[in-house]
Amino acid sequence: KAGVTQTPRYLIKTRGQQVTLSCSPISGHRSVSWYQQTPGQGLQFLFEYFSETQRNKGNFPGRFSGRQFSNSRSEMNVSTLELGDSALYLCASSRTEETQYFGPGTRLLVL
Amino acid sequence: DAKTTQPNSMESNEEEPVHLPCNHSTISGTDYIHWYRQLPSQGPEYVIHGLTSNVNNRMASLAIAEDRKSSTLILHRATLRDAAVYYCILRAHSPGSARQLTFGSGTQLTVLP
Repeated sequence: KAGVTQTPRYLIKTRGQQVTLSCSPISGHRSVSWYQQTPGQGLQFLFEYFSETQRNKGNFPGRFSGRQFSNSRSEMNVSTLELGDSALYLCASSRTEETQYFGPGTRLLVL
Repeated sequence: DAKTTQPNSMESNEEEPVHLPCNHSTISGTDYIHWYRQLPSQGPEYVIHGLTSNVNNRMASLAIAEDRKSSTLILHRATLRDAAVYYCILRAHSPGSARQLTFGSGTQLTVLP
């Protein structure tokens, strides 16, 4: 069974630009969660989507948004990029409450 | 979410057992104890979880104290590939509930050859 895939794996943007990251969950998984990982703050929850609906949201500004499609694939968007948005963005999918399966992440560098 | 406390770092010799502790004195009755690990340059990976009884799987064992205020992840024979940051996380399981994981700083495990 294929794992969680994320594209692109690496991205360089400049301040003020916007970026869209993509996540394809494991087949049959309807829940997709997004996390941001930085050296200073560690792993922080961004939001979770289930059946195309945002079910929960972390403490991030409105510049961070996401959506989920009918095939459970998900995208997250960050508008008006800031230097502090440089991070590893991780996507995780799950079928039950028990286990989340993480992708390899997208490393974003904002210059 | 209830808080967990883990040592910042631990060292182990290759092929020896490793006991990674986690304190969670404010755990509630519905909280499951989850362990994830993150190898260098990879996303976190599920290791094991349990509620009250000790649990075993192909990767590790989880020993849970009788009062559930602490737990220990046991790697029976550490390999170099087990070098990672190990996270102990508490999560309530209920159908329809949000599935976010609240990560602490974890324990950086170094395995010495």
